[in-house]
Amino acid sequence: QVQLQESGPGLVKPSQTLSLTCTVSGGSISSGSYYWSWIRQPAGKGLEWIGRIYTSGSTNYNPSLKSRVTISVDTSKNQFSLKLSSVTAADTAVYYCARDLEGMDVWGQGTTVTVSS
Amino acid sequence: DIQMTQSPSSLSASVGDRVTITCRASQSISSYLNWYQQKPGKAPKLLIYAASSLQSGVPSRFSGSGSGTDFTLTISSLQPEDFATYYCQQSYSTPQTFGQGTRLEIK
Repeated sequence: QVQLQESGPGLVKPSQTLSLTCTVSGGSISSGSYYWSWIRQPAGKGLEWIGRIYTSGSTNYNPSLKSRVTISVDTSKNQFSLKLSSVTAADTAVYYCARDLEGMDVWGQGTTVTVSS
Repeated sequence: DIQMTQSPSSLSASVGDRVTITCRASQSISSYLNWYQQKPGKAPKLLIYAASSLQSGVPSRFSGSGSGTDFTLTISSLQPEDFATYYCQQSYSTPQTFGQGTRLEIK
């Protein structure tokens, strides 16, 4: 079955760019009519939708982050990626990638990103 | 953005109890409502999609209902493994938004 795995630095300095990759295994990122999404969760808090990319490459972003977020897909590597620029301590969270069709039915395990100097 | 409000924020219940969690949207979202279960240190797990459709592999004691602005998640007979935090999420429009969560604790 399809599995997702996030990867990237666990520590990012303030004002720098957070970069994460989600690797899809057990299936092709290009097959089916799926959106591929990023969600984050600060410690002890709720879930925040960051944005998503469709297999065609079209994207939707959360307006609260839109000026800082870029989501891209690399079908040759079966991966999609998140870049969040100009990070601050408020961006410290567990970041999840997920597959979305009718609800987010497959999730990565999550990766903790801390923004600190 | 569509605001999602869950109630209660926390709930104490016993094994075998019937439990209902409600979720209200700030505007109509038709049936574009999903429910997730999250246990500490784990990713959320999809339980119900499209308001009332049971995700494959999810026990039938979980059920969802509602449309428009008001939705419910019901657990018919609580099992020990059901103690977790539950989130509703609207997928009617972007940005997709989540409720604040309902923490279900053992009484």
